[in-house]
Amino acid sequence: EVFLTQSPATLSLSPGERATLSCRASQSVSNYLAWFQQKPGQAPRLLIYDASNRATGIPARFSGSGSGTDFTLTISSLEPEDFAVYYCQQRQNWPPVTFGPGTRVDV
Amino acid sequence: QVQLVESGGGVVQPGGSLRLSCAVSGFTFNTYGMHWVRQAPGKGLEWVAHISFDESFEYYADSVKGRLLISRDKSKNTIFLQMNTLRTEDTAVYFCARDFREYGGYATFDYLGRGTQVTVSS
Repeated sequence: EVFLTQSPATLSLSPGERATLSCRASQSVSNYLAWFQQKPGQAPRLLIYDASNRATGIPARFSGSGSGTDFTLTISSLEPEDFAVYYCQQRQNWPPVTFGPGTRVDV
Repeated sequence: QVQLVESGGGVVQPGGSLRLSCAVSGFTFNTYGMHWVRQAPGKGLEWVAHISFDESFEYYADSVKGRLLISRDKSKNTIFLQMNTLRTEDTAVYFCARDFREYGGYATFDYLGRGTQVTVSS
C-alpha cells in the first residue's frame, strides 16, 4: 500500500498570495496522482489528475507538478473561495486507492 | 448535468446492517465504473470500494472486506453498498463517486455526490 504525506498541515495565507502545497508518496506512483479540494459540508472536487492536468472547469490559477514520489499543488493567487482543505490521492497499483491527510489553507 | 444522489444512511447499532443507494443521472451509467469513498467525522478521505462498469470485478479496502458489498443495477442507474456487521469505526459520511474514465478502472473521481451519513452507535 502506498502512503501519502502532505505538508504543511495548515497554511495560513491572505487573498492574492501564492500557495504551495506538498504531497509525498512512500514509493513511486509515477504520475498517478490527483488533487482534490473540499469545503466544509461539501463533497470533494477534483482539481488535478495525473499530476499536472487540470480537470474540467478548474481555473488556471491551480497547477500541479511532480512525478515519482514528490508532488506540488500551486495556487498562483488565492481567491476567497480557495480557502479549503486539499487532499492528494494516488492510484498506482490500486487497489487500494489512498489519500493524503490533507492540507488546510486558512485565511 | 451529472448528478449522484446518495440515500439510505442513518443510525445503526454495532453489528447491524444498512444499505446505501446512489442514484445517478446525466451520463451513460453502463460505461463508467463507480466507487464509494467515506469520511469519518473530522477526518480525511478513505476509499471504500469499486465496481467496474460491467460488474466484472469489485475491489474493497481491507478495512471493509467481507463486511461491505458493492453492487449496481443498470435498470435503475443506481449503485448500492450493502453494509453488514457494522462497527463504530464505520461511522462516516459515505460519498459515491464516478470513475474518471469510461470503461477503465482509472481510480480517481471526477464527480461525487453530497454524501449520506452513517452513524454506528449503541
